[in-house]
Amino acid sequence: DAKTTQPPSMDCAEGRAANLPCNHSTISGNEYVYWYRQIHSQGPQYIIHGLKNNETNEMASLIITEDRKSSTLILPHATLRDTAVYYCIVYPPGSGNTGKLIFGQGTTLQVKP
Amino acid sequence: NAGVTQTPKFRVLKTGQSMTLLCAQDMNHEYMYWYRQDPGMGLRLIHYSVGEGTTAKGEVPDGYNVSRLKKQNFLLGLESAAPSQTSVYFCASRGHGTDTQYFGPGTRLTVL
Repeated sequence: DAKTTQPPSMDCAEGRAANLPCNHSTISGNEYVYWYRQIHSQGPQYIIHGLKNNETNEMASLIITEDRKSSTLILPHATLRDTAVYYCIVYPPGSGNTGKLIFGQGTTLQVKP
Repeated sequence: NAGVTQTPKFRVLKTGQSMTLLCAQDMNHEYMYWYRQDPGMGLRLIHYSVGEGTTAKGEVPDGYNVSRLKKQNFLLGLESAAPSQTSVYFCASRGHGTDTQYFGPGTRLTVL
């Protein structure tokens, strides 16, 4: 299965952009990159996903390198409420309709005042 | 539209007791999942269902049973609880044609 590597923790100043990296060097051509986050004690929350092109929604932007071996989640103006664990997930091959997400350790983002 | 709800929110069991966790979704989703999350770790898939009346094993199914008698409900059962099952349990659902999962708020279970 394709796996992801993320730094265990990062800090960001409130109001600044938070850039969270993810390596997925063994990603297959048809696999998507998904980002979820988990605020303390809550259920994971979907943020954004992409295949090849950069994506943007109301929460964040996703930049995927041309070779698709890495990606960066960007929170343009981080707030204290963005403090959470961020998970980068590559949609596992062969899962068909099961949609089984494999969560790694994620990156703990601490937004500081 | 409540999304995904879980009952109960908290529960304390003694070793050997049984209980059922209920997950309900009002989004008419086909797929439902049960995960567990241990302290400092990511989520691990216990069981999942691709439709009403169907269930399948996930990554860590031992000690758990599930049922999906109604499309909107997915039940997780512990027949004989063990301290190793102390964890936070999350339910999720997914609609057909999308890969995005929507999670419930979690059930915090302690087995003494």
